[in-house]
Amino acid sequence: EVQVVESGGGLVQPGGSLRLSCAASGFTFSSYWMHWVRQVPGQGLVWVSRINSDGSSTTYADSVKGRFTISRDNAKNTLYLQMNSLRAEDTAVYYCARDPTTSSYYRFDLWGRGTLVTVSS
Amino acid sequence: DIQMTQSPSSLSASVGDRVTITCRASQTISDYLNWYQQRPGKAPNLLIYAASNLQRGVPSRFSGSRSGTDFTLTISSLQPEDFATYYCQQSYSSPLTFGGGTKVEF
Repeated sequence: EVQVVESGGGLVQPGGSLRLSCAASGFTFSSYWMHWVRQVPGQGLVWVSRINSDGSSTTYADSVKGRFTISRDNAKNTLYLQMNSLRAEDTAVYYCARDPTTSSYYRFDLWGRGTLVTVSS
Repeated sequence: DIQMTQSPSSLSASVGDRVTITCRASQTISDYLNWYQQRPGKAPNLLIYAASNLQRGVPSRFSGSRSGTDFTLTISSLQPEDFATYYCQQSYSSPLTFGGGTKVEF
């Protein structure tokens, strides 16, 4: 089955760190660009970060730049999001999403079920 | 950043209705516009990409169009499973941005 499954969410104190993982299966993970998108429960979608297929190029939303790091291990078919210096406003469901394009016309054609990150003392 | 403004934010409709949702970009984005459906408690699902291309597996009652910086998602005959929230998303420039969503309800 073609799928991506996120894990690693949980409750963390402000200023803390968390690493999210996204395990891919059923497709050639190393051929796809990947993204993280987050959503505060009951609110809209917000793009967080992107990584190209070999991991050599990354882009971030200004709100997380310098605090979050996206990476991937193509041998393990896994995408990561290292989140440091977490703030209350980072509380959200974090989705891993596959991008079938290689440049421009970015779109998300496969999503995971998400993992909830709660930043609170 | 490119702002995407969706309207309406919510609408009431019935099964069989023709439904139209609009998304306006704050600047030109050519046809770099995608539409997603999100049912409650579920992940989003890609419906339309590059303004008017139907994603594989999506019913043909969904369609998209563009006029300048205005984009439209049309559901030709609303089905029970279509009651959901719909989002547009631009991919013209980074950061990728989404509209605020349109909730389609009874």
